[in-house]
Amino acid sequence: NAGVMQNPRHLVRRRGQEARLRCSPMKGHSHVYWYRQLPEEGLKFMVYLQKENIIDESGMPKERFSAEFPKEGPSILRIQQVVRGDSAAYFCASSTFGQDTDTQYFGPGTRLTVL
Amino acid sequence: EDQVTQSPEALRLQEGESSSLNCSYTVSGLRGLFWYRQDPGKGPEFLFTLYSAGEEKEKERLKATLTKKESFLHITAPKPEDSATYLCAASSGTYKYIFGTGTRLKVLA
Repeated sequence: NAGVMQNPRHLVRRRGQEARLRCSPMKGHSHVYWYRQLPEEGLKFMVYLQKENIIDESGMPKERFSAEFPKEGPSILRIQQVVRGDSAAYFCASSTFGQDTDTQYFGPGTRLTVL
Repeated sequence: EDQVTQSPEALRLQEGESSSLNCSYTVSGLRGLFWYRQDPGKGPEFLFTLYSAGEEKEKERLKATLTKKESFLHITAPKPEDSATYLCAASSGTYKYIFGTGTRLKVLA
């Protein structure tokens, strides 16, 4: 499967716990984007990463959220001390060049439920 | 503020009944207009990228067109398997896609 992979597909956490979402980009892609989709809302940009670099995290909440894309391994979106409002679908996308004309290809998403 | 608006929010069609979905955008300097299909519980599946006004792209029963203010996704003789939410997104000078809220299409057999 050469597509974007995300795991887990579903994640349940209690308030105050940590959530770790993983994303492996499409083969040959080195640019990763994270989006969040709330019910009845469009996808919202959170963060853009290249290997070992955060390029733009302007869409990510300043507290409790962090992202990384290490030299080896998947990109990780980390949410500390989750609250009910963090319940959403989180999608990862990847592209070839990181340019504004790039097509971004999306993974299947991780659906986070906070109890 | 850059914005993408899709209409209608929901659309029910009989099998074989052609129609069009609209995506209006107000962005400063469109660089790309992207259409995706999203099935319940799944991620957006790429359909088309359009770069300039007048451009058209086709795939099976779908055809996407672009003007300076809007894009249309034309569905010809739809089948029940075309039922999904169709999303459009715009980029304007950055890699941040601006998404509309989608059109939920239901095709009845």
